[in-house]
Amino acid sequence: AQSVTQLDSQVPVFEEAPVELRCNYSSSVSVYLFWYVQYPNQGLQLLLKYLSGSTLVKGINGFEAEFNKSQTSFHLRKPSVHISDTAEYFCAVSDRQAAGNKLTFGGGTRVLVKP
Amino acid sequence: EADIYQTPRYLVIGTGKKITLECSQTMGHDKMYWYQQDPGMELHLIHYSYGVNSTEKGDLSSESTVSRIRTEHFPLTLESARPSHTSQYLCASRQDWDTGELFFGEGSRLTVL
Repeated sequence: AQSVTQLDSQVPVFEEAPVELRCNYSSSVSVYLFWYVQYPNQGLQLLLKYLSGSTLVKGINGFEAEFNKSQTSFHLRKPSVHISDTAEYFCAVSDRQAAGNKLTFGGGTRVLVKP
Repeated sequence: EADIYQTPRYLVIGTGKKITLECSQTMGHDKMYWYQQDPGMELHLIHYSYGVNSTEKGDLSSESTVSRIRTEHFPLTLESARPSHTSQYLCASRQDWDTGELFFGEGSRLTVL
């Protein structure tokens, strides 16, 4: 079984400032890692994913994340946020070996970008 | 862009009513999922399907039921809605079983009075 912990439930940040959203996971097997974004009254949209290879993953809208196997982390970063980045962000993990590869989500981090 | 659709987007009903939340995808995905999202944002898997005539319970127990008669359609039904069923329900699908990446609909927000 796997679990995902997003350490911050809310992150207020000023426009054009950098932001980091923390995500730690636990799993007894190798995993795939994902970050999703949910804008108000919408479903979830994939920001980026780590499958294999380079531990630094670049996604849409200027976001990037770094996979750290030793620390079992997959933190999301953006060097300069916009008002439009106000949303909920979810970290998720799936087991590489499990049939069906069900996604397990973290509790989410609410980012509020202030002008 | 993902083509997965949920209806209704918003529904307010009284206790005891039967409701069906519709989910359809046009991508030919075999695997489909229903997540329940509480007001505190956390998502919980309540049902999933690996293909036609395949349905399984998820990690969170739910009084709802699902069916998968056609590949593109995965409706969720509550026979007798209660206020405790008030939540957002998100439908998702995927084809690439090697990675687990999901495509989500926009959600159905259910309020039971």
